[in-house]
Amino acid sequence: SQQGEEDPQALSIQEGENATMNCSYKTSINNLQWYRQNSGRGLVHLILIRSNEREKHSGRLRVTLDTSKKSSSLLITASRAADTASYFCATDAGSARQLTFGSGTQLTVLP
Amino acid sequence: EAQVTQNPRYLITVTGKKLTVTCSQNMNHEYMSWYRQDPGLGLRQIYYSMNVEVTDKGDVPEGYKVSRKEKRNFPLILESPSPNQTSLYFCASSSFIRYSNQPQHFGDGTRLSIL
Repeated sequence: SQQGEEDPQALSIQEGENATMNCSYKTSINNLQWYRQNSGRGLVHLILIRSNEREKHSGRLRVTLDTSKKSSSLLITASRAADTASYFCATDAGSARQLTFGSGTQLTVLP
Repeated sequence: EAQVTQNPRYLITVTGKKLTVTCSQNMNHEYMSWYRQDPGLGLRQIYYSMNVEVTDKGDVPEGYKVSRKEKRNFPLILESPSPNQTSLYFCASSSFIRYSNQPQHFGDGTRLSIL
């Protein structure tokens, strides 16, 4: 079952612009994670935000979490062509079945 | 280097011919999992394992088997593959803290085509 749903499904921006992706989910969570997938490769973990956190930063990445709205956003600042990839949110609802992934946002950064 | 290794990376086979996709991790992780990725559906969990000899079904387990005889290995077995199992498969591992999922490390994927 799909827990996290990303929005938009696809996003195209110019190099240097900021990119914002959103994730909505349905049930209460322990934490929410963001992953990146380059074409044809495995997913790479970017950042984890716990349910009692509201914002987290890692380099050019900024993640926010609003548990009252059951939503999260991933902001990539000063984007680069190398940021072109699919981005997935994954929710941890505290079950042993681990993470539930959304269907992803395809980000294209044009040089 | 910490990694999750899947083999093969690509496989084209025919309906009904048993196949195994191997997965090995070198991080001493307790938790291992298999996912399939299909266009528009994201990643769906097939099976997971919390430790040696402990496995359980994910969202889409039908037509698959797994085993966890050693901590580092978690093979995915398709006893009688069918065309609807054509997909991109990922193995992942993580440390396991009860009720708190940790970041997962993914393999590079196995692209499987069943004719």
